[in-house]
Amino acid sequence: EVQLVESGGGLVQPGGSLRLSCAASGFTFSSYAMSWVRQAPGKGLEWVSAISGSGGSTYYADSVKGRFTISRDNSKNTLYLQMNSLRAEDTAVYYCAKVVGEIPDAFDIWGQGTMVTVSS
Amino acid sequence: QSVLTQPPSVSAAPGQKVTISCSGSSSNIGNNYVSWYQQLPGTAPKLLIYENNKRPSGIPDRFSGSKSGTSATLGITGLQTGDEADYYCGTWDSSLSVVFGGGTKLTVL
Repeated sequence: EVQLVESGGGLVQPGGSLRLSCAASGFTFSSYAMSWVRQAPGKGLEWVSAISGSGGSTYYADSVKGRFTISRDNSKNTLYLQMNSLRAEDTAVYYCAKVVGEIPDAFDIWGQGTMVTVSS
Repeated sequence: QSVLTQPPSVSAAPGQKVTISCSGSSSNIGNNYVSWYQQLPGTAPKLLIYENNKRPSGIPDRFSGSKSGTSATLGITGLQTGDEADYYCGTWDSSLSVVFGGGTKLTVL
């Protein structure tokens, strides 16, 4: 079964850091680009970041550029999101998602999400 | 304010047809594929349509997608109460980012 399972969310103070993980199974992880998408409480979807299958190309939303870093370990079938200098507006459910094709414009498999709360 | 514009809500009776629009620009929809997602309450989004009009395995043909110029449309026929959800469009943008619409809440009356 194709599956993505996120972990690492929690409560963090403004200015703090958190690292999210996404464990993939059921498909050849290294063959697919991956992405992070977030959703603030009661709000719509917001794309955060994407990474190519090899990890050689990365993309970021302007709202997180310079603060968040996406990475992957293909030997562990795991995607990561290192989040630094967290702000209240980063509070959201964070989903990892598998990209359909070469360009990260569509996501066919989603995890269940992990909640990140930034508050003092 | 989302880059892609969707109506906040649409509604229709069971068995009827509904369409949801998604408007963008030449920087995004005009030159890239559009995808559509369904998000049931409390769950992760689910891909309904990719590359403008392709359905992933398991998505019924009641769901369809189309694109013309800088706009795209999701169509749902034979509406069921289980279709009540939020629907989002998304696409690649020339700024090397993914952009989503603000979402449309579908109510099946």
